Amino acid sequence: AQKITQTQPGMFVQEKEAVTLDCTYDTSDQSYGLFWYKQPSSGEMIFLIYQGSYDEQNATEGRYSLNFQKARKSANLVISASQLGDSAMYFCAMSLPDGGATNKLIFGTGTLLAVQP
Amino acid sequence: DTEVTQTPKHLVMGMTNKKSLKCEQHMGHRAMYWYKQKAKKPPELMFVYSYEKLSINESVPSRFSPECPNSSLLNLHLHALQPEDSALYLCASSGEGGEQFFGPGTRLTVL
Repeated sequence: AQKITQTQPGMFVQEKEAVTLDCTYDTSDQSYGLFWYKQPSSGEMIFLIYQGSYDEQNATEGRYSLNFQKARKSANLVISASQLGDSAMYFCAMSLPDGGATNKLIFGTGTLLAVQP
Repeated sequence: DTEVTQTPKHLVMGMTNKKSLKCEQHMGHRAMYWYKQKAKKPPELMFVYSYEKLSINESVPSRFSPECPNSSLLNLHLHALQPEDSALYLCASSGEGGEQFFGPGTRLTVL
């Protein structure tokens, strides 16, 4: 069965420090995508970063990088130089293409990150 | 334009009311999604439209009725809802890359 596990319900980090949010996944499919989304208290789900299962390089987007370890089935998010505005809920998700135009997303339970000044 | 818009932002309705949520995207995406999210939980998929046709219904009660009038618009018609249906309703769309882009959501309260 496909599953995403985020074992950290909450995390604290000091401003300007780096933080790693853990995500492990389980699937028997060879082709899949891994995503991280940020959800501030306002509610909007903001797409941060994507890693395809066949991508050999770790994805990076500005201060966000995805530490993809395929053999361990982990896709941890690293946020460098944390800012107060990074305080939010972070969801890891996996997409399983259905052969058509759609991708069904499976979400983890989320990690609530609090950045302290 | 990489934006998905949703209206209204907030909605309060009684159990006998009929209301609709609207979602719009102009990214040329052919897949659109409705999610329901309760506080401190991940989003739960409700419906998926692919090329304006309903492709997935995750056993959602019939008091929720989706509609896709064209490739840019997605509606969710609400009728005879229950208080436990109060939640954040998120719309998303996706293109060939697979990333789903979400709208800001509608916070629904059913009295």
